[in-house]
Amino acid sequence: AQTVTQSQPEMSVQEAETVTLSCTYDTSENNYYLFWYKQPPSRQMILVIRQEAYKQQNATENRFSVNFQKAAKSFSLKISDSQLGDTAMYFCASRNSGNTPLVFGKGTRLSVIA
Amino acid sequence: DVKVTQSSRYLVKRTGEKVFLECVQDMDHENMFWYRQDPGLGLRLIYFSYDVKMKEKGDIPEGYSVSREKKERFSLILESASTNQTSMYLCASSQLRAVYGYTFGSGTRLTVV
Repeated sequence: AQTVTQSQPEMSVQEAETVTLSCTYDTSENNYYLFWYKQPPSRQMILVIRQEAYKQQNATENRFSVNFQKAAKSFSLKISDSQLGDTAMYFCASRNSGNTPLVFGKGTRLSVIA
Repeated sequence: DVKVTQSSRYLVKRTGEKVFLECVQDMDHENMFWYRQDPGLGLRLIYFSYDVKMKEKGDIPEGYSVSREKKERFSLILESASTNQTSMYLCASSQLRAVYGYTFGSGTRLTVV
């Protein structure tokens, strides 16, 4: 069975600094997809970034980038130039190929401090 | 603007009541999902559906049932609400291919008293 582990329940970062959120996963599949979701206080889950396991290149979306280490089954999220609006719960998730549900980690609560 | 709509943002129900949580999506997505979100436990899958009138149990289906009579609507039913079902309930939809993530509704915070 797939599992996703986020080992940091809470983190904080100063505004304009860089922070890295950790995520490890386990799957027996060779083809799968990894995601980071953001849930601000409004509760609306927003897709931040996705990574396809067969792609070597790390995905980036503006200030958000990932460090995907397939052999180590690690998928960390780096937020550069942190902004107050980045304050949220962040969930790491994985999905095997085919039509299977997402499996989520327990989340990391990130606070950006002015 | 495409979206997933959950009928209630907040709901308070009494123990033993039958509770319906409704979810509607306007993106013609094949898949629909119900998750429960609790502090420290993340999101746990209750039920999902790949097609009309089709349902699959997730990780925590006990005490819940679902209905999908139309492609755009997926209902979660608590047959007899209990206090341990007090939680945040999130509905989501997605296209068939796994490369696509989910589009989420804004959640229903259910309190059972």
